[in-house]
Amino acid sequence: QVQQQESGPGLVEPSQTLSLTCTVSGDSIGNSAYYWGWVRQHPGRGLEWIGYIYYTGDAFYNPSLKSRLTMSVDMSKNQFSVKLSSATVADTAVYYCATKLGTTAHFDYWGQGILVSVSS
Amino acid sequence: EIVLTQSPATLSLSPGERATLSCRASQSVNRYLAWYQQKPGQPPKVLIYEIFKRAAGVPARFSGSGSGTDFTLTISSLEPEDFAVYYCQQRGNEPSYTFGQGTKLEI
Repeated sequence: QVQQQESGPGLVEPSQTLSLTCTVSGDSIGNSAYYWGWVRQHPGRGLEWIGYIYYTGDAFYNPSLKSRLTMSVDMSKNQFSVKLSSATVADTAVYYCATKLGTTAHFDYWGQGILVSVSS
Repeated sequence: EIVLTQSPATLSLSPGERATLSCRASQSVNRYLAWYQQKPGQPPKVLIYEIFKRAAGVPARFSGSGSGTDFTLTISSLEPEDFAVYYCQQRGNEPSYTFGQGTKLEI
């Protein structure tokens, strides 16, 4: 059973880059069965897909965030990461690792989430 | 982008009653429509995928149906642990994923 844990700064200043890492346990990030991804939830609001990445490094991003997004995988640490540049208050949210199996179109595995606030 | 609209925003029912939650898409959706349950302080949990398939371990009282632009999550007889927020989600082309704004099921 895949388990995921988000980590990173809980506070980011406006215009800086928001960077988060998801550490995977229970399986290898090099397993071709998975797409490793992120979903965020603005306070008291709904869910927004951010994007996901395959172990090869191929990444798929939400078009509305694409220009600010970079995702990567680190096989040696069994981790994947997201960077969102030029952060604004609107990026304040709970960020979840959200991973799907390659053949599916829903998110089977979720981390517990990490709250990131963008504020000066 | 396909927009998903869920109704009602809040549904007030009692244990033992039947719950019917609606999800309407702004354009026709393929079979990739899923439903999630989220409780306070927890991540979402997938209940239903591909319109009507129950995820592993999900009780049989949860069922999904629909096609085209109209989809329904039905809980046949509410248990106390079912009171939560429910989201629908679809996968479009490119690929891209969108969620509905949620229905809060309250006692």
